[in-house]
Amino acid sequence: QQQVKQSPQSLIVQKGGISIINCAYENTAFDYFPWYQQFPGKGPALLIAIRPDVSEKKEGRFTISFNKSAKQFSLHIMDSQPGDSATYFCAAGARTGTYKYIFGTGTRLKVLA
Amino acid sequence: DGGITQSPKYLFRKEGQNVTLSCEQNLNHDAMYWYRQDPGQGLRLIYYSQIVNDFQKGDIAEGYSVSREKKESFPLTVTSAQKNPTAFYLCASSQRLNTEAFFGQGTRLTVV
Repeated sequence: QQQVKQSPQSLIVQKGGISIINCAYENTAFDYFPWYQQFPGKGPALLIAIRPDVSEKKEGRFTISFNKSAKQFSLHIMDSQPGDSATYFCAAGARTGTYKYIFGTGTRLKVLA
Repeated sequence: DGGITQSPKYLFRKEGQNVTLSCEQNLNHDAMYWYRQDPGQGLRLIYYSQIVNDFQKGDIAEGYSVSREKKESFPLTVTSAQKNPTAFYLCASSQRLNTEAFFGQGTRLTVV
């Protein structure tokens, strides 16, 4: 119940295309779902996050879609750019109770120029 | 500039040695965390601290120890009991437990 499954493990997209990364969780106590972007040799940086009271959140070219009944959420990167090439991590957490902040295994995205 | 500072960036340890990784934050955050990152395994929680003088084990605490004597500081010691310490170590902090976490730039530890 503590896993967050992330797919795909790696993704290659042409410049201008849409990158889609998916995550699925099991624990229904999770109520906070952030995405992090990590460049090689650097720490992850918070990209965008969503709470389950909304089905979609958009910030610039980045959109999170959330399906509470399916316990799935996804990151969409519109008009993907070479500078978006990085590793992306989804995570899930619970605002109350014992700490349950769980990370997915990461998706390595490469955007071709 | 507010942020999280980890030092050193690279660290080499001999077999049987204890080493300490530094993490300092000036964000006035109550909660701090240590994660270990290995290729293909995402981020795994080692220890976390909700407030000063309190900390809890995460999923892979064996072979590690921490202290939280000051709000700003959360050092991690990798002891000789940690059999496979080579990894990228990340420190993070958040305003309170389970709120948005912000990461430092990491320390890469290598056993030589």
